[in-house]
Amino acid sequence: GAVVSQHPSRVICKSGTSVKIECRSLDFQATTMFWYRQFPKQSLMLMATSNEGSKATYEQGVEKDKFLINHASLTLSTLTVTSAHPEDSSFYICSARESGTANTEAFFGQGTRLTVV
Amino acid sequence: DAKTTQPNSMESNEEEPVHLPCNHSTISGTDYIHWYRQLPSQGPEYVIHGLTSNVNNRMASLAIAEDRKSSTLILHRATLRDAAVYYCILRPYSGNTPLVFGKGTRLSVIA
Repeated sequence: GAVVSQHPSRVICKSGTSVKIECRSLDFQATTMFWYRQFPKQSLMLMATSNEGSKATYEQGVEKDKFLINHASLTLSTLTVTSAHPEDSSFYICSARESGTANTEAFFGQGTRLTVV
Repeated sequence: DAKTTQPNSMESNEEEPVHLPCNHSTISGTDYIHWYRQLPSQGPEYVIHGLTSNVNNRMASLAIAEDRKSSTLILHRATLRDAAVYYCILRPYSGNTPLVFGKGTRLSVIA
């Protein structure tokens, strides 16, 4: 079946540095990808919608200058957490589905556990 | 987005069937009912989805009430590997919209 690969699976960075997370659709093209984050014991919260070739759409309360999203090709979206702080420590997950109707299943990456120290 | 209501947690014995309920009383006529599950420290994975009729696949069955205001995910024989958070999500038939996750049901399976 279709696979979405996310890299890295784990990253530890120092406060003030930036971290890039990649999300690839391995065997299908995705004009749209979605980025979520998940804090411990909580559900997934949608951060932004990544659109190939155009600007991402951010959910209310998500800083677009802090969470930079680039969707330069039909198989790759990246999320860069800039000037990371300990409160950005979270589990980041991307999702994609093949273009089609609403009943098409969504595929998720394995997630990236970010720890900012 | 139309909301769903699920119990916070459920427990099952291994090898027993599990019925995970979901209420979605404000569902619209074009909303599909999707179920995903999330194993610990992993991204969610698709389980099953349906519109009006009951659905079966290799993972589970989905029973949808006649008025579509509720549905039940059925795991026919729970295994330890089925321990996860199960999310019932409504998704409209309107393009490439994101899945909006509620709190889900945390299923524990006892050996």
